[in-house]
Amino acid sequence: KAGVTQTPRYLIKTRGQQVTLSCSPISGHRSVSWYQQTPGQGLQFLFEYFSETQRNKGNFPGRFSGRQFSNSRSEMNVSTLELGDSALYLCASSFGTGGFADTQYFGPGTRLTVL
Amino acid sequence: AQKITQTQPGMFVQEKEAVTLDCTYDTSDQSYGLFWYKQPSSGEMIFLIYQGSYDEQNATEGRYSLNFQKARKSANLVISASQLGDSAMYFCAMREGHNNNDMRFGAGTRLTVKP
Repeated sequence: KAGVTQTPRYLIKTRGQQVTLSCSPISGHRSVSWYQQTPGQGLQFLFEYFSETQRNKGNFPGRFSGRQFSNSRSEMNVSTLELGDSALYLCASSFGTGGFADTQYFGPGTRLTVL
Repeated sequence: AQKITQTQPGMFVQEKEAVTLDCTYDTSDQSYGLFWYKQPSSGEMIFLIYQGSYDEQNATEGRYSLNFQKARKSANLVISASQLGDSAMYFCAMREGHNNNDMRFGAGTRLTVKP
């Protein structure tokens, strides 16, 4: 069974640009969550999508957005990039039961560098 | 608000010895799940082990076991017979039982296995 895949693996952008990251979940998983990981802030939850609807949202500005397609693949977009957006962006998928035992499985991440 | 605390920023262990990584959590929910993930330098978060709040026995997965002390709200990860490949960041995480709650992570512990 294929794991979670994320593309691209590495990105270099300049301030003010926008970027789109993609995530394909494990087959059968309907929930996709996105996290930002930085050395200073650690792992921070961005949002979760389930059945093409945003189910949960973290405390990030509106420049960060996402969507989910009918095949459960998800994209996240960051507009007007800032230097502080440089981070490892991790995508995680799960069955999406919403229960406390719903285990998340992570992709390899996309490392974004903003110059 | 839920909170995960990992008090050990870094740990060293000799190869073939056992090591315990500490995790305490704070929640007012009776239903919750506790997770441990490993993050090698490559960046991917690897799911290791899960413990539910109602599970009476400590979870085990190969060389990994979870020392769950509910009254103390601790969920320590024990790695037996450490291997060089165990060198990585380890994250404790919790998901509460009310519907559609997101997963929250601790700051992580960096484990270094010495030959």
